[in-house]
Amino acid sequence: NAGVTQTPKFRVLKTGQSMTLLCAQDMNHEYMYWYRQDPGMGLRLIHYSVGEGTTAKGEVPDGYNVSRLKKQNFLLGLESAAPSQTSVYFCASSYGLAGGLTDTQYFGPGTRLTVL
Amino acid sequence: GDSVTQMEGPVTLSEEAFLTINCTYTATGYPSLFWYVQYPGEGLQLLLKATKADDKGSNKGFEATYRKETTSFHLEKGSVQVSDSAVYFCALMVNTGFQKLVFGTGTRLLVSP
Repeated sequence: NAGVTQTPKFRVLKTGQSMTLLCAQDMNHEYMYWYRQDPGMGLRLIHYSVGEGTTAKGEVPDGYNVSRLKKQNFLLGLESAAPSQTSVYFCASSYGLAGGLTDTQYFGPGTRLTVL
Repeated sequence: GDSVTQMEGPVTLSEEAFLTINCTYTATGYPSLFWYVQYPGEGLQLLLKATKADDKGSNKGFEATYRKETTSFHLEKGSVQVSDSAVYFCALMVNTGFQKLVFGTGTRLLVSP
């Protein structure tokens, strides 16, 4: 049982390049999330999904797109990377409504992205 | 809007010292409260949680009590170890159609031998 995994672990991009971050979970969770972590700002929600085939915007969605074609995978795309997107990206998953308001989110190890 | 305020870090302690990390919150309704911990190079892990007023969450020697009257959820540990060095995040969960977690900015704890 691997939990939540993320690939890649590190990436350096040039401004304007595109890339996709992959998140996979093997816990059969309904909900999945993408966060970014910046110094002094905690974690901010980029996009989330409440089930296969669904996605929704979080607090800071601009410049990102997501897809959830399979229940276990949640992809985060950057179409045209900008230096402001330099950050550490975390994926998380949870049971969702079945977990109620005590639902625990399980986090992946993160992807450190640098945009030059 | 909903928010969480944590004390600024880093908090530097010697091994076996008493730890308090303050956390206060603003929320509509009755949120659940969480402490997550992030060890160096890793993702966040749930440390403890509480779902209603006066509940006490506890795990690995850490405790926090949900105080509705002071809107606080302070993290405490009686005797810290070097292995407790990490970043600690206070968070609240509200039901806005899905369970949204709102995080504080995190407090770094450094424990020296």
